[in-house]
Amino acid sequence: EAQVTQNPRYLITVTGKKLTVTCSQNMNHEYMSWYRQDPGLGLRQIYYSMNVEVTDKGDVPEGYKVSRKEKRNFPLILESPSPNQTSLYFCASQGAGGFPDTQYFGPGTRLTVL
Amino acid sequence: QKEVEQNSGPLSVPEGAIASLNCTYSDRGSQSFFWYRQYSGKSPELIMSIYSNGDKEDGRFTAQLNKASQYVSLLIRDSQPSDSATYLCAVTGTASKLTFGTGTRLQVTL
Repeated sequence: EAQVTQNPRYLITVTGKKLTVTCSQNMNHEYMSWYRQDPGLGLRQIYYSMNVEVTDKGDVPEGYKVSRKEKRNFPLILESPSPNQTSLYFCASQGAGGFPDTQYFGPGTRLTVL
Repeated sequence: QKEVEQNSGPLSVPEGAIASLNCTYSDRGSQSFFWYRQYSGKSPELIMSIYSNGDKEDGRFTAQLNKASQYVSLLIRDSQPSDSATYLCAVTGTASKLTFGTGTRLQVTL
């Protein structure tokens, strides 16, 4: 089954404690991205990756890092989380060319930073 | 001005009626337009895509695009309670970046 998986699904942490949210897709997609979703602000892109070792900033990259060492994985790293990063996070992937025809979303990770 | 604007709603329609959801966008060079459905606490799901002016129909859903007016809409015919969700409009601008609106919450009442 074609899917995007994220882990963990729920996470409560404290300010400053480094964390990683994993994202994996089994569709051999080149393009992957991370979004955060906040009430009244909608989905905002954090980072995206056009292919292995190719990443770029989205609209709200501050406080986040990503890496793309393998095609299937695109982890999101919060080196020093702060309460304003409390949000619902989605990973997404799509096929060749970065053309967002069918973008598949993961199930989401609800992060709370205390 | 927001890049993609939607009325947050809620839009309330009775079961069986037509729900009309609207979206405007600011980038005149936008090429691709999408409607996603998102149930509470779930991930967005693509339901319609449209690339050229006019209407595109898929089952009970019709997407309408008017590039001159920078306007895209989604019509849901014979609305069902299961259609109650938030509908996200998304637009690909000149930089091929997908930008989402904040969504319109639809409530289909019995």
